[in-house]
Amino acid sequence: KAGVTQTPRYLIKTRGQQVTLSCSPISGHRSVSWYQQTPGQGLQFLFEYFSETQRNKGNFPGRFSGRQFSNSRSEMNVSTLELGDSALYLCASSFYGLREQYFGPGTRLTVT
Amino acid sequence: DQQVKQNSPSLSVQEGRISILNCDYTNSMFDYFLWYKKYPAEGPTFLISISSIKDKNEDGRFTVFLNKSAKHLSLHIVPSQPGDSAVYFCAASGNSGGSNYKLTFGKGTLLTVNP
Repeated sequence: KAGVTQTPRYLIKTRGQQVTLSCSPISGHRSVSWYQQTPGQGLQFLFEYFSETQRNKGNFPGRFSGRQFSNSRSEMNVSTLELGDSALYLCASSFYGLREQYFGPGTRLTVT
Repeated sequence: DQQVKQNSPSLSVQEGRISILNCDYTNSMFDYFLWYKKYPAEGPTFLISISSIKDKNEDGRFTVFLNKSAKHLSLHIVPSQPGDSAVYFCAASGNSGGSNYKLTFGKGTLLTVNP
């Protein structure tokens, strides 16, 4: 079974730009979560989607948004990028009702 | 406010010995706990989990212990192998509305197993 895939793997953007990251969950998994990992803060929860609906949201500003499509694929968008948005963005998927989440390799975003 | 704490940023052990990684939590609503392992340039990999109705769960070389009264859990790796060298994250989730689907992570402990 293929794992969680994320594209692109690496991205360099300039302050003020916007970016869209993509995540394809494990086949059959309907829940997709997004996390931000930084050296100082560890892994922080951004939001979780199930059946195209956001079920839970972390404490991030409105510049961070996401969506999920009918095939469970998910995208995350960050608008008006700031230097502090430089991080590894991880996507995780799980089957409904299971709390064990399976992570993709992440997208390394660098904002200059 | 950090609800899941891993107070040891790093741990070094000899191959064949026991590795003990610790984790404390403050939120009494947490009822499910997980350990993940992360290698550089890869996403975290699920290792083992435990529900609050248990105090121990074992899977091969990995055992997780939960002490609810102390709000403390630990991961034991016996025997430790060089391939276990990685960052280990403790995570927790609660059983309150949407928080079932949200994992709160500690900041991780870097385990180094020396040959």
